[in-house]
Order: sequence, then C-alpha cells, then structure tokens
Amino acid sequence: NAGVTQTPKFQVLKTGQSMTLQCAQDMNHEYMSWYRQDPGMGLRLIHYSVGAGITDQGEVPNGYNVSRSTTEDFPLRLLSAAPSQTSVYFCASSPRSGGTDTQYFGPGTRLTVL
Amino acid sequence: GENVEQHPSTLSVQEGDSAVIKCTYSDSASNYFPWYKQELGKRPQLIIDIRSNVGEKKDQRIAVTLNKTAKHFSLHITETQPEDSAVYFCAAAGGGGSNYKLTFGKGTLLTVNP
Repeated sequence: NAGVTQTPKFQVLKTGQSMTLQCAQDMNHEYMSWYRQDPGMGLRLIHYSVGAGITDQGEVPNGYNVSRSTTEDFPLRLLSAAPSQTSVYFCASSPRSGGTDTQYFGPGTRLTVL
Repeated sequence: GENVEQHPSTLSVQEGDSAVIKCTYSDSASNYFPWYKQELGKRPQLIIDIRSNVGEKKDQRIAVTLNKTAKHFSLHITETQPEDSAVYFCAAAGGGGSNYKLTFGKGTLLTVNP
C-alpha cells in the first residue's frame, strides 16, 4: 500500500491564481480530511469527508473547496489564492470501522502564494 | 467548538531525563485523545492515543494519562533519547461521535541534549 499520497510536494502561486491539491489513499478509508499547518498554530482542519459524496467544513474553510467523488480521492481547490493561504497542507485518512481511529497523514504540500 | 491548549511550547531535557507535555481541552464530549510526533519536514505520526474510558496507557517509554474531570491529558516520555527530539502535538476529538475531526494543540518542541 502507498498509504496517503499528495501532489505536488511544493507549489508557488501568484495571488489570484487557482489550483488543486491532490490527495489519494489506497486503504479504503472512509474518512478523509485536509489540514493546514502554520508556524506556532498547530494543524487546523479545513474540510473533511465521511464518505464519497459527503463533505463538510472544518475550522478554517474559507477560500477552499472540496469534493469527494470516489473513496480514494479528496482534492482541495483554492479558487483565488491569497498570501494568507501560504502554508503546509496535510491530507489525512482514517477508517470508519475496525476498532481504530488512527488518522494517517500524507507527506504534505508546501504552498507559497506571492 | 473544541479548544485544546498545550504546554509548554518548548522543552529542553538532558538525555535520560523524563519529559512531560500537558494539554487541556474544553469540550466535555471529546472522547479520543491522540498524540502525534512530527520531525522537521515530515508528516505527523501517531505515537500513542487514549480514549475517555481509560485513565492511562503505556507503550514502552511513552505513556499518556487522562483526567476527564479536569479535562486534561498528558504525555510522559521516560529515558529520553536524542531521537525523541521533535515537535509533539496533542489533539482531541469525538464530540458527537466524530473521532475523525481532530482539534490540535499548538505543539511542543522537545529538544533532547546528548
């Protein structure tokens, strides 16, 4: 299993540009989440999904959209990038059943918005 | 929503000493409390977790304690080694059955000096 994968690893955008951060998992996990990590702020939940076709907002959803058309993929879209969205983005997944709540994190995408 | 406070923000110990990191949470419905270790430039990785029906859990040199009444939980690392140096995050989840919605503390930078 590859686990949770994210692409790209690094990205530089100009203010106003749009892009999609990709996240995929091959563990058949139902739960998937996006977090952003800023210095001194820990990780903050952006959006999450409890299954294909179901998404909901987390703590800091503004400026981001998500969709979940398949169990495996959970892309994060920035519609009009702003410097405040400069951050490291982590995708995570966890199983719904099996007696564990462990969230498995992807390697992260480091985004810089100029 | 949930709020997690973590202390201290930095901790420096000598190799072989013990390290203790403390967290408090606000939502009495939270019932899942994981701890993550993040090395520089890497993804967060789960090192131990505890549920609200357990007061203490131990895994080799790492232990976590939970006081539901006071709404605080702690990470204890004994016989610290240089490879324990990293940022440690506590988190809480579970209000409304949502163990996949983690609220993180802001992290503790642990430095173990040889």
